[in-house]
Parts: sequence; structure tokens; C-alpha cells
Amino acid sequence: AQTVTQSQPEMSVQEAETVTLSCTYDTSESDYYLFWYKQPPSRQMILVIRQEAYKQQNATENRFSVNFQKAAKSFSLKISDSQLGDAAMYFCAYGKYNNDMRFGAGTRLTVKP
Amino acid sequence: EAQVTQNPRYLITVTGKKLTVTCSQNMNHEYMSWYRQDPGLGLRQIYYSMNVEVTDKGDVPEGYKVSRKEKRNFPLILESPSPNQTSLYFCASSFVPLSSYNEQFFGPGTRLTVL
Repeated sequence: AQTVTQSQPEMSVQEAETVTLSCTYDTSESDYYLFWYKQPPSRQMILVIRQEAYKQQNATENRFSVNFQKAAKSFSLKISDSQLGDAAMYFCAYGKYNNDMRFGAGTRLTVKP
Repeated sequence: EAQVTQNPRYLITVTGKKLTVTCSQNMNHEYMSWYRQDPGLGLRQIYYSMNVEVTDKGDVPEGYKVSRKEKRNFPLILESPSPNQTSLYFCASSFVPLSSYNEQFFGPGTRLTVL
């Protein structure tokens, strides 16, 4: 079974600084998708960024980028120029073509003004 | 507006009293799923459905039932709730298959407390 591990239960960052959240996963598949979801205090699950495993280029979305290392099965999220609104729980997720998705335990990010 | 709705958003109940949490999506998605979120465990899948009348167990199905009689609705039924089912529940939906052009959309969550 596929598993997703987020080894940092909590992280903090100073406003305007950069922070990296770690994620590793285990799979025997060659084709899959990886996601980072943000869950603010409202509890809504918001897709931040996704990466297709067949793409070597790392995905970027404005201040959010990933470092995808397929061989190492690592998928970290970098948040640049952190803002107070980035404070949330972040979940790393693995997804297969059949829509089966697995989530990590989450990392709670605090942004200090 | 494209969305997944869940009702109720909050529910406090007692052990053994049957309850249903409704989920509805207006995006014509084939796939629907229920997750529960617990501290330190992330989201775990309870049940999922690939289409009408097609449902299957996820990782933590014990104590839950689902049905998919219509494409848009996927209710979660707790026949005899117990305190260990106190959790935050999410319904999600998406097109099949997962691809670069679609994602799972999540409902707003239902906070369930079983006393």
C-alpha cells in the first residue's frame, strides 16, 4: 500500500522568509500524482500545487514550488516570501489514476509577523 | 458555482443513534469519496464510489455505510455511532481518471462528536 510521510508535525517561519515542508512517499507505481493541500482554520481543503510523476520539471505556482525527487520518493514544498495568510495545516497527498489518494499526517505552519 | 456540499456541518449525537451525513456535488463527477480526518493521522479514506451503484471500501470502513443511487449524492451513514467515530469528515468528488486536468474537490467538512 502506498504511504505518505510528513516528518514535521509543526514548522514556523518569519513573515517574508522562505520555508520548506518535507514529504516522502512509498509506492511501486511509476505513474502517479503528488499534491500539496492547504487547510486553513476554516477547514476547507485547498489545492496548492500538483506534480505529475512523469514530468521531470518541478511544478511552481507563484510563491509555491516543489522539489520532486522521484528516485528518492521525495516531494517537498517551498513557500517563498511567506505571508500571514499562509498559516495553515499542509497535507501532502499521493494519487493514482484510479483516483485513489493517500494523505500524510500534515504539517502545521505558523507564520510569525 | 461548482461545489461539494455537506450537511450538517456540525453534529453532536449520542452513542447508538443512527445518523446520516449528506454529500452532494454539482459537477457531474463520477468519483466520490468520504474521508475522516484525525489529529496526527491526516485524512483516511472510508468509502469511495466510481459511479452510480458502484461503491467500495477504503482504509477505515468499519462502522460506516454508503450508497450511490444518484450521481450527485453520496450519503455517509453511521448505523450505530460510537465515540471513536468522533472526527472531522470530508466528502470529495472528481472526474475519472485522475489527470493533469482534474482534481478532487472537497466539501467544507462535517465535525461529528459522538458522546
